[in-house]
Amino acid sequence: QSVLTQPPSASGTPGQRVTISCSGSSSNIGSNYVYWYQQLPGTAPKLLIYRNNQRPSGVPDRFSGSKSGTSASLAISGLRSEDEADYYCAAWDDSLSGPKVVFGGGTKLTVL
Amino acid sequence: QVQLVESGGGVVQPGGSLRLSCAASGFTFSSYGMHWVRQAPGKGLEWVAFIRYDGSNKYYADSVKGRFTISRDNSKNTLYLQMNSLRAEDTAVYYCAKDNADCSGGSCYSEYFDYWGQGTLVTVSS
Repeated sequence: QSVLTQPPSASGTPGQRVTISCSGSSSNIGSNYVYWYQQLPGTAPKLLIYRNNQRPSGVPDRFSGSKSGTSASLAISGLRSEDEADYYCAAWDDSLSGPKVVFGGGTKLTVL
Repeated sequence: QVQLVESGGGVVQPGGSLRLSCAASGFTFSSYGMHWVRQAPGKGLEWVAFIRYDGSNKYYADSVKGRFTISRDNSKNTLYLQMNSLRAEDTAVYYCAKDNADCSGGSCYSEYFDYWGQGTLVTVSS
């Protein structure tokens, strides 16, 4: 059971816009930044979004992030076949047993 | 360019021990915190542990606290994960990941993983 909650799957056709949600609590998303990682099949994850809505250089502006309260979302516009991957949200959690990083369970994006 | 190369994975019996290594290059290793993140077969990502750039602080996931120890040797640009009392549920690909924050100025704020290794598979099975 992951600390952050994501839908297990999402899908869309080429050119469409899809969003992936991520729900947490006051100790993680509610008080810290949210990050998004993309994991293409058989590869290591790659940073997609940092500080809720910032894109590292090289990440297309088709990818955008947002955060409100204890929830966040990743939006992908102009969907392309190469976007088919697993997407994970993450945040630091200020737990009583010490700071830790928590992930969502991941969302498998299928491009139909 | 930044490179992280994990090694030390393999098959181990339940209750056994294993030490993973992560050789780092392409950046000033002693200025950055480092993480271990794992992924069970067909499952999602799970953060395992973090160590500050100078080894002064270490944080662990509850699932491994008391069994795993993260450490580093800045003279060898190498990160380690000592895993004891291994269980079947520890079976996973283990990735080392570089923290984004440059702590060369002494004060820094860890946020995210900006580089990952290719991972090493640990299988706990009798």
